[in-house]
Amino acid sequence: DTGVSQDPRHKITKRGQNVTFRCDPISEHNRLYWYRQTLGQGPEFLTYFQNEAQLEKSRLLSDRFSAERPKGSFSTLEIQRTEQGDSAMYLCASSQAAGGTDTQYFGPGTRLTVL
Amino acid sequence: DAKTTQPTSMDCAEGRAANLPCNHSTISGNEYVYWYRQIHSQGPQYIIHGLKNNETNEMASLIITEDRKSSTLILPHATLRDTAVYYCIVLTGTASKLTFGTGTRLQVTL
Repeated sequence: DTGVSQDPRHKITKRGQNVTFRCDPISEHNRLYWYRQTLGQGPEFLTYFQNEAQLEKSRLLSDRFSAERPKGSFSTLEIQRTEQGDSAMYLCASSQAAGGTDTQYFGPGTRLTVL
Repeated sequence: DAKTTQPTSMDCAEGRAANLPCNHSTISGNEYVYWYRQIHSQGPQYIIHGLKNNETNEMASLIITEDRKSSTLILPHATLRDTAVYYCIVLTGTASKLTFGTGTRLQVTL
């Protein structure tokens, strides 16, 4: 049973460049979440999908951020015109909402450094 | 979702039981108690969750008080690999997002 995978694991970019991260959820999980974690803080929710529909977005998700889950399987998170403040760990989680509970399982994260 | 209060840090000797407390005095009847942990530079790892009854799995036990206002996560035989930040999160069963607080930093020592 493979867990949630994320690619790349590390990304270094220059300010102003665009970056894209990929998340592959656990097979058959219908929900997929993106979180961001800065140094010394707990993860913060960004957005989530149920199948291919994006159902909720945090205020943290500025218009430079866009997430997609085109076929209800993998998801991508793109950041346009990166800023130094975007440097963080970007975490993906997936779940199968059923039976009244919804346990999320996390991937290893993508660490972004913006120079 | 109800707020939680956890100690900032705790120490535990290897081989001993680690008991991590969490207060959630404003929890409502349909809210679950979830525990995650995060080892340095890794993604959070699900440990266990419960509603009213005590729960046990291969990783830990969760003890929830009868009034549900507090709970304790028990790692029965802590090892160095259990050194991590432990997060107690309270949320409804169908909630769409986890809200992480500051957690408890558990240091397991020889």
